[in-house]
Amino acid sequence: DQQVKQNSPSLSVQEGRISILNCDYTNSMFDYFLWYKKYPAEGPTFLISISSIKDKNEDGRFTVFLNKSAKHLSLHIVPSQPGDSAVYFCAASEINQGGKLIFGQGTELSVKP
Amino acid sequence: EAQVTQNPRYLITVTGKKLTVTCSQNMNHEYMSWYRQDPGLGLRQIYYSMNVEVTDKGDVPEGYKVSRKEKRNFPLILESPSPNQTSLYFCASSSRGQGARQPQHFGDGTRLSIL
Repeated sequence: DQQVKQNSPSLSVQEGRISILNCDYTNSMFDYFLWYKKYPAEGPTFLISISSIKDKNEDGRFTVFLNKSAKHLSLHIVPSQPGDSAVYFCAASEINQGGKLIFGQGTELSVKP
Repeated sequence: EAQVTQNPRYLITVTGKKLTVTCSQNMNHEYMSWYRQDPGLGLRQIYYSMNVEVTDKGDVPEGYKVSRKEKRNFPLILESPSPNQTSLYFCASSSRGQGARQPQHFGDGTRLSIL
């Protein structure tokens, strides 16, 4: 029972264009969401997060949008750069369970020059 | 340099032979956690610890043990490893507050192969 789903295993985008990575969740108790980026042979690194009291959070080229009614979030990268090529994981945390984190399966982004 | 250090980085072993993967962080973080990464399944949480002597199960704790006797160390113990525990393992830590809801620092991973 996958509570957090990233239905696109891979995505290919041209350099300079927008990358949109999607994530769906089923548990309505999730109230905090994070995105991590992972390069091969390295551990994941934190990218951006969003609380359910917001519908958007921006950090430089990265913006996360949250649609609570649809239980959907997306990560936008504008403009995309070759160095953004990595696997992106979304993760969700449930209110009052601050220690637990549920990850999606990941989406491998390839940004072509 | 702030870091989470896992050892060993690679290990090939046999079914039933007890092993321990060590994890150490130098950031004085309260929260630590273990994850495994498998193809098509993403990252799954095994155990986490909100502070010293406080541990709790994640999503896939079966077959694993942990301990948190001191703040900097959080070893993962496989008492009787089986082939389905072949995976890439990550340890992570974050500062005080809301544990997994804070940005976590991850180690570089330990690749375990159980034959």
